[in-house]
Amino acid sequence: GQQLNQSPQSMFIQEGEDVSMNCTSSSIFNTWLWYKQDPGEGPVLLIALYKAGELTSNGRLTAQFGITRKDSFLNISASIPSDVGIYFCAGPKGSGNTGKLIFGQGTTLQVKP
Amino acid sequence: NAGVTQTPKFQVLKTGQSMTLQCAQDMNHEYMSWYRQDPGMGLRLIHYSVGAGITDQGEVPNGYNVSRSTTEDFPLRLLSAAPSQTSVYFCASSYSPGFTEAFFGQGTRLTVV
Repeated sequence: GQQLNQSPQSMFIQEGEDVSMNCTSSSIFNTWLWYKQDPGEGPVLLIALYKAGELTSNGRLTAQFGITRKDSFLNISASIPSDVGIYFCAGPKGSGNTGKLIFGQGTTLQVKP
Repeated sequence: NAGVTQTPKFQVLKTGQSMTLQCAQDMNHEYMSWYRQDPGMGLRLIHYSVGAGITDQGEVPNGYNVSRSTTEDFPLRLLSAAPSQTSVYFCASSYSPGFTEAFFGQGTRLTVV
């Protein structure tokens, strides 16, 4: 079945450093979503990708939809302490659009001031 | 806009008790879903609904029941709580066909003792 694998599982970086994380799947996705979850809160959508090869930015965040449609990447430039949280990739579960999502296991980011 | 509102935020149940987790959205979204989040496992789909009166099972439906009598509300019922249902529960809603992004509530942290 569909599965999303995120790596790395966790990262501990220094403030100001750039961050890269990725998400891979054994099956093709037509949409890739990246969410961030702050401690004690629900996930919040960061970036949505709809087309293979698409590169989209949101402030210091940049995400790419892999050409094979089986992977996606998220980069954060010049990290700051408020970047701390769990980053999830997600994609539509099954065929059609029913609002169902499948999530990766998450990448936990910690930033040292 | 309130977005997606979940109540309660925290709950402790004894094994065997039943309860209902409430979810309401004010965005007139057709699609609503319930997820549970466990450490290291991302979010897993419990039940979902594509409109009032229509519900279906997700990945981990056992022990949970849902109904959707209105567009706004999508309650999740635990029939007989078990310690394995200790988790954080998130409700999400999405636009009608053509959009994949889901918007999440703040979550309900449930402990079953």
